[in-house]
Amino acid sequence: EVKVVESGGGLVQPGESLRLSCAASGLTFNTYWMHWVRQVPGGGLEWVSRITSDGGDTKYADSVKGRFTISRDNAKNMLYLQMNSLRADDTAVYYCAVNWGMVPGTWGQGTLVTVSS
Amino acid sequence: QSVLTQPPSVSGTPGQRVTISCAGSTSNVGNNYVYWFRQLPGTAPKLLIYTNNQRPSGVPDRFSGSKSDTSASLAISGLRPDDEAHYYCASWDDSLSAVLFGGGTKLTVL
Repeated sequence: EVKVVESGGGLVQPGESLRLSCAASGLTFNTYWMHWVRQVPGGGLEWVSRITSDGGDTKYADSVKGRFTISRDNAKNMLYLQMNSLRADDTAVYYCAVNWGMVPGTWGQGTLVTVSS
Repeated sequence: QSVLTQPPSVSGTPGQRVTISCAGSTSNVGNNYVYWFRQLPGTAPKLLIYTNNQRPSGVPDRFSGSKSDTSASLAISGLRPDDEAHYYCASWDDSLSAVLFGGGTKLTVL
């Protein structure tokens, strides 16, 4: 069974940084593209970023471009999201997901990031 | 504001058939596959339909998807109370090089 588990969320102040992690199991990790998606509590889904299987190509939503960096360690079956210059509107539940076609397919349970002073 | 447009809410009674629409453009729905997700309260989204009209293993055939030009639809037949959830469409957008989600539709079973 494919499983992804996010960690690293928490409360940070505006302008600070945070790194999210995602541990994947039950799949040949180094053959799958991966995504990060976020959801404001009570709101809709917003795609954040995507990385190819070898980490050679990444894409970002305009709202996070230049502030967030997606990366992966295929030897450890881990996906990461480095978030810098965090703002109040980055507050959301962040989901890690395995690619299916061209979109997030199998999702984790999410980790909450709260940006507040 | 989402580039994929869904109705905010739909409703139906048990046993009925309901449809949820997803309107896009040539850069997304028109030239790429559409996917549908269901999100129950307090849980992560779950893939319901992939590549316009295919169901992952375990998804009942009460759920079906279709696409025509720049619009797609999710149909749910034999409505059940536990179908109450939020439903989202998604597609890749060639112009934005990004995944787009619809704004979501809340299904209420009356």
